[in-house]
Amino acid sequence: KAGVTQTPRYLIKTRGQQVTLSCSPISGHRSVSWYQQTPGQGLQFLFEYFSETQRNKGNFPGRFSGRQFSNSRSEMNVSTLELGDSALYLCASSLRGVATDTQYFGPGTRLTVL
Amino acid sequence: AQKVTQAQTEISVVEKEDVTLDCVYETRDTTYYLFWYKQPPSGELVFLIRRNSFDEQNEISGRYSWNFQKSTSSFNFTITASQVVDSAVYFCALSSGGGADGLTFGKGTHLIIQP
Repeated sequence: KAGVTQTPRYLIKTRGQQVTLSCSPISGHRSVSWYQQTPGQGLQFLFEYFSETQRNKGNFPGRFSGRQFSNSRSEMNVSTLELGDSALYLCASSLRGVATDTQYFGPGTRLTVL
Repeated sequence: AQKVTQAQTEISVVEKEDVTLDCVYETRDTTYYLFWYKQPPSGELVFLIRRNSFDEQNEISGRYSWNFQKSTSSFNFTITASQVVDSAVYFCALSSGGGADGLTFGKGTHLIIQP
């Protein structure tokens, strides 16, 4: 089976812009979760989607949003970018969700905000 | 709230030495899951092992072994006869509370295996 894929792999944006990241889960997986990784804060949970519905959400401002499509592919959007949003954004998929199943991660999208 | 502590920020050993990475967790739930992931320089998190709170059996997979002790809330990871390819950042993670907080990760241990 193909693994989790994320596009694009690298992005450079300027403050105030918005960005959309994409994640395609492992075939058959219905849950997609997003994480932000920074040197200072480490790995932090953003949100989880399951069957097109947001099921859980981490402690991030409303500028961070996401959605999931009927084919389980997911996108996350960050509006009004700030310098502190520079990070590696990782997507993970699982069969039934983060509560019980192993999360399999993609290669990540490295976002740089200038 | 749940928490994972990896007290060792960085460990450096010479190839073929054994090394143990420590992980201590906190949760009020009786049902939870523990994980170890490896992150090589490429950035992708590679799944290594998953353990549920009701299974305290230790596990061995090749040169890797895991020791889960509920009495001390620890889930330690040992690499036997380390190799240069083992160099990476290793994360311990916890899922509990129905997944409301997603996976809670420790800060990671940077393992350097010197030839």
